[in-house]
Amino acid sequence: KNEVEQSPQNLTAQEGEFITINCSYSVGISALHWLQQHPGGGIVSLFMLSSGKKKHGRLIATINIQEKHSSLHITASHPRDSAVYICAVSRTGNQFYFGTGTSLTVIP
Amino acid sequence: DAGVIQSPRHEVTEMGQEVTLRCKPISGHDYLFWYRQTMMRGLELLIYFNNNVPIDDSGMPEDRFSAKMPNASFSTLKIQPSEPRDSAVYFCASSFSQIRQYFGPGTRLTVL
Repeated sequence: KNEVEQSPQNLTAQEGEFITINCSYSVGISALHWLQQHPGGGIVSLFMLSSGKKKHGRLIATINIQEKHSSLHITASHPRDSAVYICAVSRTGNQFYFGTGTSLTVIP
Repeated sequence: DAGVIQSPRHEVTEMGQEVTLRCKPISGHDYLFWYRQTMMRGLELLIYFNNNVPIDDSGMPEDRFSAKMPNASFSTLKIQPSEPRDSAVYFCASSFSQIRQYFGPGTRLTVL
């Protein structure tokens, strides 16, 4: 069983739609990370959060520690948002567990 | 700052050869991470350093892998001898006090 589960695995949306990607984890964590990997392979760290909610532009990340669940929301999606979104959790001692990623395609 | 720099960007080698991957972190960052990404296993943390000291190498697959950080501006990941199953993209990332990691462009390694 993976320590980090993401859903959906693949997601296709029309431009402008509101998108939600979910992440559930089964271990105690010190922080949860959302990463974005572009089709060219580059990885960008979007958020690191341990409680509550963070917002950056059209991206919003939330975490519920009690439920061991996080969501990444994209408002007014755009084709340039097409990427793989990876959820990762870090534990004390910097153990890292990664989800398998959600492949998002936004169609114009 | 130029961001995290990795070299080479692509490496093709034959089984049994030694491979050295290089990373220059962002100046001022005190953490450096080495990751490996494959289709089968996704992203995996191999090892990380804090202030040039290896803190956790439990992700290093086996003794054929070694990593060093001789100073704050340079790290290497060495595979000796290389095997076809080592083919992957290797990412280096750095951060300041673990706040946010900045990833390098990756090195795509192919072992024939």
